[in-house]
Amino acid sequence: KAGVTQTPRYLIKTRGQQVTLSCSPISGHRSVSWYQQTPGQGLQFLFEYFSETQRNKGNFPGRFSGRQFSNSRSEMNVSTLELGDSALYLCASSPGVQGAGQPQHFGDGTRLSIL
Amino acid sequence: AQTVTQSQPEMSVQEAETVTLSCTYDTSENNYYLFWYKQPPSRQMILVIRQEAYKQQNATENRFSVNFQKAAKSFSLKISDSQLGDTAMYFCAFMGGRLVGGGADGLTFGKGTHLIIQP
Repeated sequence: KAGVTQTPRYLIKTRGQQVTLSCSPISGHRSVSWYQQTPGQGLQFLFEYFSETQRNKGNFPGRFSGRQFSNSRSEMNVSTLELGDSALYLCASSPGVQGAGQPQHFGDGTRLSIL
Repeated sequence: AQTVTQSQPEMSVQEAETVTLSCTYDTSENNYYLFWYKQPPSRQMILVIRQEAYKQQNATENRFSVNFQKAAKSFSLKISDSQLGDTAMYFCAFMGGRLVGGGADGLTFGKGTHLIIQP
């Protein structure tokens, strides 16, 4: 069974631009969550999507948004990029919603660098 | 909001030794789940072990076991017969068990422990 696939692996942008990251969950998984990992703040929850609906959102500004498609694939968008958005963005999928206790399976992440 | 604390930023042991990584957490919830994940230099986050708070029995997965002390809010990971491939960042993580009212707020991670297995 294929794992969680994130594209692209690396991305370089400049301040003020916007970016879209993609995540394909494990087949049959309907929940997709996004996390930001930085050396200073560690791993922080961005949001969770289930059945094309955002269920939860972490403490991030509105510049961070996402969506989920009917095939459970998810995209995350960051607008008006800032230097502080440089991070590893991790996507995780699970069969059911967060709170059901099922482990989340992570992708390899997208390394976003802002110049 | 819940917090997860890993007090050991880095640990180093010899191959074949046993090592214990510490984790404490704080929550007002009664139903929750705890996880240990490892992140090797390849950066993929890999699930090591999972514990349900309502189960008193400590979870075990081959060489990996936990010591779950609910009253003390402690969740340590023991790695037996450590191997070179165990070298990685280890993260302790908490997830609430709420399914309604907005659901859980994602995994809350500790800052991690960098474990180095020396040959």
